[in-house]
Amino acid sequence: GAVVSQHPSWVICKSGTSVKIECRSLDFQATTMFWYRQFPKQSLMLMATSNEGSKATYEQGVEKDKFLINHASLTLSTLTVTSAHPEDSSFYICSARDSGWTGTFGSGTRLTVV
Amino acid sequence: GQQLNQSPQSMFIQEGEDVSMNCTSSSIFNTWLWYKQDPGEGPVLLIALYKAGELTSNGRLTAQFGITRKDSFLNISASIPSDVGIYFCAGRSNDYKLSFGAGTTVTVRA
Repeated sequence: GAVVSQHPSWVICKSGTSVKIECRSLDFQATTMFWYRQFPKQSLMLMATSNEGSKATYEQGVEKDKFLINHASLTLSTLTVTSAHPEDSSFYICSARDSGWTGTFGSGTRLTVV
Repeated sequence: GQQLNQSPQSMFIQEGEDVSMNCTSSSIFNTWLWYKQDPGEGPVLLIALYKAGELTSNGRLTAQFGITRKDSFLNISASIPSDVGIYFCAGRSNDYKLSFGAGTTVTVRA
């Protein structure tokens, strides 16, 4: 079955620094990947859609200059949280779409900004 | 995306009991999905429903895609301790974006 790998699983960074999160499709090619954010005890909220070879599309209210997305290959999308602040602390989860779309998610990245 | 109306928000059940939860939406979806999420992990797909009226089972899990395409339910029969977790419904639109419910937290009393 489709496997999505997300790295790192957790990261702590200082306020003002940038953090990069990777999402890889291990056994299939993903032309589209999705990035979600989940605050404690809340649901997943879609942040952006990452399309291989083109610019990402962001949901309303998500700052594209703060959350940089790069989808340079069919198996890798990255989310960079720039100039992170404590309010950016959250659980970030990616999902990759294969040809059949099996709804597979990565295991998530817990970001803590101190 | 929109957030779906999922209920109940939480439930405490006795081991061996059946569990039911449901989701409703103001919008039509072409696919309904049910996920389980354990703490610190990404959601894991339990059941996917692709046609209005479809009833699908996966072991002790049964889910149905409502005829109006605006609702779905999930049943868990004969619950066991490992059923503990948060269950999310999600509706998928034509652009493959998912809208999630708020989640149902299931706690099983031994």
